[in-house]
Amino acid sequence: EAGVAQSPRYKIIEKRQSVAFWCNPISGHATLYWYQQILGQGPKLLIQFQNNGVVDDSQLPKDRFSAERLKGVDSTLKIQPAKLEDSAVYLCASSGSGTLGGEQFFGPGTRLTVL
Amino acid sequence: QKEVEQNSGPLSVPEGAIASLNCTYSDRGSQSFFWYRQYSGKSPELIMSIYSNGDKEDGRFTAQLNKASQYVSLLIRDSQPSDSATYLCAVKTSYDKVIFGPGTSLSVIP
Repeated sequence: EAGVAQSPRYKIIEKRQSVAFWCNPISGHATLYWYQQILGQGPKLLIQFQNNGVVDDSQLPKDRFSAERLKGVDSTLKIQPAKLEDSAVYLCASSGSGTLGGEQFFGPGTRLTVL
Repeated sequence: QKEVEQNSGPLSVPEGAIASLNCTYSDRGSQSFFWYRQYSGKSPELIMSIYSNGDKEDGRFTAQLNKASQYVSLLIRDSQPSDSATYLCAVKTSYDKVIFGPGTSLSVIP
């Protein structure tokens, strides 16, 4: 079974530029999560999708971040314009409906550096 | 009070010893609890999930849950240098959110 795919793996941009990340979850997983992880901290949930609907985006900075999950499969996360404090690893995870508590499977992440 | 807290690290143990990692949570209605391992530069990997009070064993790992005291722990027996990583506690709350703790860094010294 293929895991969660993410691209790109690394991205370096200058502040005020825009960037987009892509995620393809494990086949059949209805729930998709985007996390931001700053060095030395635990993952912070940005947005959670159930199929193609948003379940939780309470911590998404909506003035600069946006995300979509068209057709309930893959997803994109966009930052526009980027700030220095957006430098972090962006993790995508998915979970299946058969799990009691939503065990999550993570992709390799995208390391973003904003200069 | 933070929703999920973990004992501050880094934690260092000698090879072969027992490593004990602790986690407390604030939402009394939480029902699902997870331990993830994260190697440096890698993404988190699920190693244990626990839903009922008591102990759950999987190889050298034992998860312990005490809902009355609102804590969950992870014991690693016969610690190996390959266990050196950051361990993240995650809790699924009663309002259906999964909250991650800040993590505890474990170093196993050969």
